[in-house]
Amino acid sequence: AQRVTQPEKLLSVFKGAPVELKCNYSYSGSPELFWYVQYSRQRLQLLLRHISRESIKGFTADLNKGETSFHLKKPFAQEEDSAMYYCALRSGSQGNLIFGKGTKLSVKP
Amino acid sequence: EAGVAQSPRYKIIEKRQSVAFWCNPISGHATLYWYQQILGQGPKLLIQFQNNGVVDDSQLPKDRFSAERLKGVDSTLKIQPAKLEDSAVYLCASSSRLVGETQYFGPGTRLLVL
Repeated sequence: AQRVTQPEKLLSVFKGAPVELKCNYSYSGSPELFWYVQYSRQRLQLLLRHISRESIKGFTADLNKGETSFHLKKPFAQEEDSAMYYCALRSGSQGNLIFGKGTKLSVKP
Repeated sequence: EAGVAQSPRYKIIEKRQSVAFWCNPISGHATLYWYQQILGQGPKLLIQFQNNGVVDDSQLPKDRFSAERLKGVDSTLKIQPAKLEDSAVYLCASSSRLVGETQYFGPGTRLLVL
């Protein structure tokens, strides 16, 4: 079964500390993975996708097929990074997304 | 470019009543999605439209939920009759015709069923 697991409901770090939000997936095939973010009172929006191999707002994520993981990392967290982060898997060719339950990141001053 | 619009933003109803949500996608976007997000969960796809045709409605509880996208633009999602467990945020998203394109989400409609 296709599934996305985010083991941490809440992650709290201090400003300037490194942060890693974990995401593991279960998928039979070539996965396409995404990270979506929802800042307070804002819409859910795409942060990054693995095929782009880009860094957005200092965040990066590497797809590890051996460990079936797609962890989101940032070397120095900022207070404005505080938000809900959702890992998502694209299912099939039609574009359907399967989301994890999300991790709330809190960056303290 | 205007984003995905949804209304109403909030709705409170009693169980067994009916409710309808409206979505206006980004202009020119052929694909439209409705998601249900229960508190503490990630969004779950209910139905996907390509223009005015249904691509995937496998997770739509068809005994009480219905959706349509007449003319391939706006869409409505209806619940009739509502149950307590339908309390959730209903998100609409749209993407362009191209497979693999980014989904853009609306602000959502928060439904509370009492």
